[in-house]
Amino acid sequence: DAGITQSPRYKITETGRQVTLMCHQTWSHSYMFWYRQDLGHGLRLIYYSAAADITDKGEVPDGYVVSRSKTENFPLTLESATRSQTSVYFCASSPGLAGANTDTQYFGPGTRLTVL
Amino acid sequence: GDSVTQMEGPVTLSEEAFLTINCTYTATGYPSLFWYVQYPGEGLQLLLKATKADDKGSNKGFEATYRKETTSFHLEKGSVQVSDSAVYFCALRGSGYSTLTFGKGTMLLVSP
Repeated sequence: DAGITQSPRYKITETGRQVTLMCHQTWSHSYMFWYRQDLGHGLRLIYYSAAADITDKGEVPDGYVVSRSKTENFPLTLESATRSQTSVYFCASSPGLAGANTDTQYFGPGTRLTVL
Repeated sequence: GDSVTQMEGPVTLSEEAFLTINCTYTATGYPSLFWYVQYPGEGLQLLLKATKADDKGSNKGFEATYRKETTSFHLEKGSVQVSDSAVYFCALRGSGYSTLTFGKGTMLLVSP
């Protein structure tokens, strides 16, 4: 079924390990986003991408790396996981800026990451 | 920078009660405003939006009016159902920007 998927849905890792969270969308949307959701903070933008090979920092980018070699994929890597990165991570995609509904963001189901 | 402030929850209501969740914003220019809803264990999904002053967004019985004079976008529903229990997020997109700024979310709990 078409849509936006994230994997894994749950992940437990240890401090200092590298972790990659995957995001895949089938709509060929131009924009993709990574957020983290924490109690008391709502959703905070980590990184976003306007197209393949174009990425930009959001509000909380430190400790994260992204890449976008293909339009449909936007992986998020924690190079050396820390306990403060324990969170629920959401990926989203959007068609673009102009026109009706083209700025609507469509969210994946989330990845719950625990760093021990 | 842009910011969104929404009322803290949880908001606890009985079925068929009237709902208001307050949202105010700070932004330059003419932002677009959104309400997203997150049901338990799921990602966010768009509930409604408004792109200019005095626009009213509506969906599934929910409504919100873009009030530029009060920089507000309050969410209302005349009669809530148990199935409306969720977390509601107010958000804005600044003019010319592709990213959203979210409020912290308001949990709604509706009891039978």
